Amino acid sequence: DGGITQSPKYLFRKEGQNVTLSCEQNLNHDAMYWYRQDPGQGLRLIYYSQIVNDFQKGDIAEGYSVSREKKESFPLTVTSAQKNPTAFYLCASSPRDRGALEQYFGPGTRLTVT
Amino acid sequence: SQQGEEDPQALSIQEGENATMNCSYKTSINNLQWYRQNSGRGLVHLILIRSNEREKHSGRLRVTLDTSKKSSSLLITASRAADTASYFCATVPYNTDKLIFGTGTRLQVFP
Repeated sequence: DGGITQSPKYLFRKEGQNVTLSCEQNLNHDAMYWYRQDPGQGLRLIYYSQIVNDFQKGDIAEGYSVSREKKESFPLTVTSAQKNPTAFYLCASSPRDRGALEQYFGPGTRLTVT
Repeated sequence: SQQGEEDPQALSIQEGENATMNCSYKTSINNLQWYRQNSGRGLVHLILIRSNEREKHSGRLRVTLDTSKKSSSLLITASRAADTASYFCATVPYNTDKLIFGTGTRLQVFP
């Protein structure tokens, strides 16, 4: 899982509550990404950031928010507006000029909302 | 949007056999990558093939790319039980730097 940590591994929340997932990397990578994975599916891009204090929406950003105040950290908040938040969330990073070449993934956080 | 479709969805083989997985995609690409995911874990990058390459090898892995058919295949030779995982292709569409993942192939290798 190479220098990217996500915590916690499992997270349980009640419907209507916001929840923040942590992602930290010590690889000195500029770019960071959040993906969502549903059972038996591939990954879908939620948000990405190529530099501190800047981020862009991915394909499924609705109901999510992010911040990038430090190079090492890219937390994801799942808001109560996200209609189906139960999923496996994966964070990734890459050197800025290699974002299209390979990404390094964290171990993931499994979020269950009931 | 998921650009890649993988085939088969699931594959079961015995140790020592070869495993072949296929990926089809929809738009022009800069490159295509293959990743492995062990159950409940993050993804690990395996190999990247650029749009102007036709074949690439890395250890027991062989990847082919046919841009005219918009398809790629991943061959794992002499499979081992430790190869049991899900395998995903991911494309980087032309003029972007975003990865778009396929739906994955679940490989089970029996000892």
